[in-house]
Amino acid sequence: SQTIHQWPATLVQPVGSPLSLECTVEGTSNPNLYWYRQAAGRGLQLLFYSVGIGQISSEVPQNLSASRPQDRQFILSSKKLLLSDSGFYLCAWSEEAGAMTGELFFGEGSRLTVL
Amino acid sequence: KQEVTQIPAALSVPEGENLVLNCSFTDSAIYNLQWFRQDPGKGLTSLLLIQSSQREQTSGRLNASLDKSSGRSTLYIAASQPGDSATYLCAAFSGGYNKLIFGAGTRLAVHP
Repeated sequence: SQTIHQWPATLVQPVGSPLSLECTVEGTSNPNLYWYRQAAGRGLQLLFYSVGIGQISSEVPQNLSASRPQDRQFILSSKKLLLSDSGFYLCAWSEEAGAMTGELFFGEGSRLTVL
Repeated sequence: KQEVTQIPAALSVPEGENLVLNCSFTDSAIYNLQWFRQDPGKGLTSLLLIQSSQREQTSGRLNASLDKSSGRSTLYIAASQPGDSATYLCAAFSGGYNKLIFGAGTRLAVHP
């Protein structure tokens, strides 16, 4: 069966510090991978998605970047965090791009607090 | 632009009640609609996925329906239990936007 792991679960970082959140998926090949952010009192916002290694699509201009160095690994990064980067970050996967009607599965999330 | 709206925003019911959560979307050209559950501080758990060609899906006490022509989906929860307390989100996958667009959720509280 497929599983998705995210870490760290909780992170408190000072403004201006770097960020790296990691997500890995097991039990599937060539998944679509997604990073969402859920800010307090707001809905889920799609940040990045990837249909393959090295292929990243950005949904909104922001202080963050994403990379996919391996088929089942998705990394969210920032060089210098802002206060507005605080939130709950969720990684998700679905079956490969050829099956666009696939179900989306989420990780447990990483809560980031920028002070 | 696809917009997904969920009504009500919050709901409090006594245990045992049957209840309906509503989801509406503005662009009927969707591939599928998915319902999720989110417990506080946790990720999202997929509950039901309805493909655009389907009318409904059932899982245990949950039944989700889809009416593309009217841009609506409902999640029916039978015989609610305190363990059903959570936030329920619906999301529509639109090919034109190539992504899943979420509603803001309905926060459900089932009290004993």
